[in-house]
Amino acid sequence: EAGVVQSPRYKIIEKKQPVAFWCNPISGHNTLYWYLQNLGQGPELLIRYENEEAVDDSQLPKDRFSAERLKGVDSTLKIQPAELGDSAVYLCASSLNRGGQFFGPGTRLTVL
Amino acid sequence: KQEVTQIPAALSVPEGENLVLNCSFTDSAIYNLQWFRQDPGKGLTSLLLIQSSQREQTSGRLNASLDKSSGRSTLYIAASQPGDSATYLCAVEGTKSNDYKLSFGAGTTVTVRA
Repeated sequence: EAGVVQSPRYKIIEKKQPVAFWCNPISGHNTLYWYLQNLGQGPELLIRYENEEAVDDSQLPKDRFSAERLKGVDSTLKIQPAELGDSAVYLCASSLNRGGQFFGPGTRLTVL
Repeated sequence: KQEVTQIPAALSVPEGENLVLNCSFTDSAIYNLQWFRQDPGKGLTSLLLIQSSQREQTSGRLNASLDKSSGRSTLYIAASQPGDSATYLCAVEGTKSNDYKLSFGAGTTVTVRA
């Protein structure tokens, strides 16, 4: 069974540029999460989808971050414009009926 | 707000020694608890999932216990090997419908010396 797929694995951009991350969850998983992980810390939730509906986006900085999950399968997280403080690892996870969360390899973003 | 603490932050042991990693959480109203492993520059690998009604879970050399009432979980790794070197993260999932997310500790970084 394929795991959670994320791309790109690494991204380096200049500040004020836009960037997008893509995630394909485990097949059949109805819940998809985007987390942000800063160095030396545990991940923190940005947004949670149940199928195609964003049911918890309270921690998403909506002035510059946006996300979508079309057709309730794969998802895209976008930052526009990026700031220096956005440098971090962006992790995608999925789960089926709250049976544990499974994470992808993450995208390491560096903003110069 | 759920707070998860992991002690110690770092641990170094000789090969063959048993590892004991501690996790505590402030709100005992949890749905489940998961232990993860993270290698440098990698994502999180799920090790064990303990439902709130369970007391422990075992997988190979790994055993995790859960004492929900006292807000504690312990991960035991028997007969450690250099390949067990990694950061171990504990996370709890909330019970409220607006809190179905994992709250993580900062992790314990383990080094097993050959």
